[in-house]
Amino acid sequence: SQQGEEDPQALSIQEGENATMNCSYKTSINNLQWYRQNSGRGLVHLILIRSNEREKHSGRLRVTLDTSKKSSSLLITASRAADTASYFCATGGDRGSTLGRLYFGRGTQLTVWP
Amino acid sequence: SQTIHQWPATLVQPVGSPLSLECTVEGTSNPNLYWYRQAAGRGLQLLFYSVGIGQISSEVPQNLSASRPQDRQFILSSKKLLLSDSGFYLCAWSVTDNQPQHFGDGTRLSIL
Repeated sequence: SQQGEEDPQALSIQEGENATMNCSYKTSINNLQWYRQNSGRGLVHLILIRSNEREKHSGRLRVTLDTSKKSSSLLITASRAADTASYFCATGGDRGSTLGRLYFGRGTQLTVWP
Repeated sequence: SQTIHQWPATLVQPVGSPLSLECTVEGTSNPNLYWYRQAAGRGLQLLFYSVGIGQISSEVPQNLSASRPQDRQFILSSKKLLLSDSGFYLCAWSVTDNQPQHFGDGTRLSIL
């Protein structure tokens, strides 16, 4: 399966701490994306990292990609209570192999305590 | 700017009744459109996606169908709902394949 799998399933931290979530996948990819979902809402795209990139930053977010290990990590620095949400990774396959769809993992539930 | 509208937000339907969920996108042309279902505490299951008017691809066999009567309109339907159709339904669009997807706020469907 091309589906990404996040780890851990749940993460609970205090405000100000860093939160790290990991994603592993099984096949070759075109890119890997991270999304956030607040309870009962739609997903919001956070960041996209291409297969030829190793690291990308956006504000307090840092994403790494290791294609040799087929894994990615999302780091949220100086977390806030408002960061409480589920975080999903999604992989975009090589063109011609997956018809352009994204494969979403089951997500990591992050809880940040004030 | 682009926006996506999905309604209703919540729906309670009896078993065997029909279903029609609508999703519309504004501010873009010829988007890819997607219908997902999300079970509680689970990831997203892709149900249908469309790359153009009248072009629908189904990912899994099921009790549901989709149609795209207009460029920016995507409809999810069922003739007779089953208890197993309960869930959180999300519509999304993207510019093209493998690109970021933009989601609506979802419809919580409960079947009684």
